[in-house]
Amino acid sequence: EAQVTQNPRYLITVTGKKLTVTCSQNMNHEYMSWYRQDPGLGLRQIYYSMNVEVTDKGDVPEGYKVSRKEKRNFPLILESPSPNQTSLYFCASSSQGRAGELFFGEGSRLTVL
Amino acid sequence: GNSVTQMEGPVTLSEEAFLTINCTYTATGYPSLFWYVQYPGEGLQLLLKATKADDKGSNKGFEATYRKETTSFHLEKGSVQVSDSAVYFCALTIGSGSARQLTFGSGTQLTVLP
Repeated sequence: EAQVTQNPRYLITVTGKKLTVTCSQNMNHEYMSWYRQDPGLGLRQIYYSMNVEVTDKGDVPEGYKVSRKEKRNFPLILESPSPNQTSLYFCASSSQGRAGELFFGEGSRLTVL
Repeated sequence: GNSVTQMEGPVTLSEEAFLTINCTYTATGYPSLFWYVQYPGEGLQLLLKATKADDKGSNKGFEATYRKETTSFHLEKGSVQVSDSAVYFCALTIGSGSARQLTFGSGTQLTVLP
């Protein structure tokens, strides 16, 4: 089954404690992206990757890092989380030739105390 | 820059009512337009798309027509069901290989009552 898998789905942590949200896709997609969803703001792009070892900033990259060492994985790293990073995070992927047709993970709800 | 504006929600309808969710866009170039749906507790799913002017996208009884003259892509359904309750997002992208992919609207919450 084609899918994008995120872990953890739910996490409560404290300010400053480094965490990683993993994302894996099994569709051999070149493009992967991270979004955060906040009430009234819709989805905002954090980082995206066009392919292995190619990443770039989205609209709200501050406080986040990513890496793309393998085609299937695109982890989101919060080196020193702060309360304003409390949000619902989505990973998405697509084939390079089908821009805009994203497959989304189920989301990771992060709370930073 | 590119932007998408959706009608404010939430929208509450009775079952079998007609649905319209307005979406207008601003874009440099010729965008492709999309509607995504997010059911409670799930990620977004592509609902329909249109890639050029006057195209009509359709799926699951939903339709939207790409209107270049009014820069709009309104979502319609003739008879909504309780199972259509979800958040709907309008989005656009420019070009077949756009590096930034999608620009999303803020979403419209739809609740359908039995």
